[in-house]
Amino acid sequence: KNEVEQSPQNLTAQEGEFITINCSYSVGISALHWLQQHPGGGIVSLFMLSSGKKKHGRLIATINIQEKHSSLHITASHPRDSAVYICAVHQGAQKLVFGQGTRLTINP
Amino acid sequence: DAGVIQSPRHEVTEMGQEVTLRCKPISGHNSLFWYRQTMMRGLELLIYFNNNVPIDDSGMPEDRFSAKMPNASFSTLKIQPSEPRDSAVYFCASSFTGSGEQFFGPGTRLTVL
Repeated sequence: KNEVEQSPQNLTAQEGEFITINCSYSVGISALHWLQQHPGGGIVSLFMLSSGKKKHGRLIATINIQEKHSSLHITASHPRDSAVYICAVHQGAQKLVFGQGTRLTINP
Repeated sequence: DAGVIQSPRHEVTEMGQEVTLRCKPISGHNSLFWYRQTMMRGLELLIYFNNNVPIDDSGMPEDRFSAKMPNASFSTLKIQPSEPRDSAVYFCASSFTGSGEQFFGPGTRLTVL
């Protein structure tokens, strides 16, 4: 079993829909990251959080440390949000362990 | 700042050849990470350096892989000899220790024929 599990693996939605991507982990962590990888391949860090909730524009990330679960939400989704979203957890000070990613496609 | 710089962006080589991937971290960052991404295994940490010193190389698949960081502004990942199963995208990332946030380079797509 992977230490970091994401669901769903693939998600297709219509423009404007509310999107939720889930991440569960089985190890102790110091922080959790949400990353975005566009079709061109570049990886961008969206959030790093260790408790509660963070918001940036239409993106919201939450984490429940007790339940070892995090969610990434996208409000008013847009085709440009189409990408692979990757959950990664910090084990120790710096080492990242990654989920398999969720491929999101937003159709116009 | 130019961000993390990797070269080459694409590399195609034949089995048995030596491959060297290069990375220049963001100026001022003192941690550097090498990752490999494949369809089957996703992103995996190969090795990371802190202040030019290798801290964790447990992800390096075997002796054919080696990484060096001779100074704060340059690192290499070498595969010798290369094999078809090494075909992947190799990412370099850097961070400032304590901040947690890592900045990724554009990656090197390696194809070993």
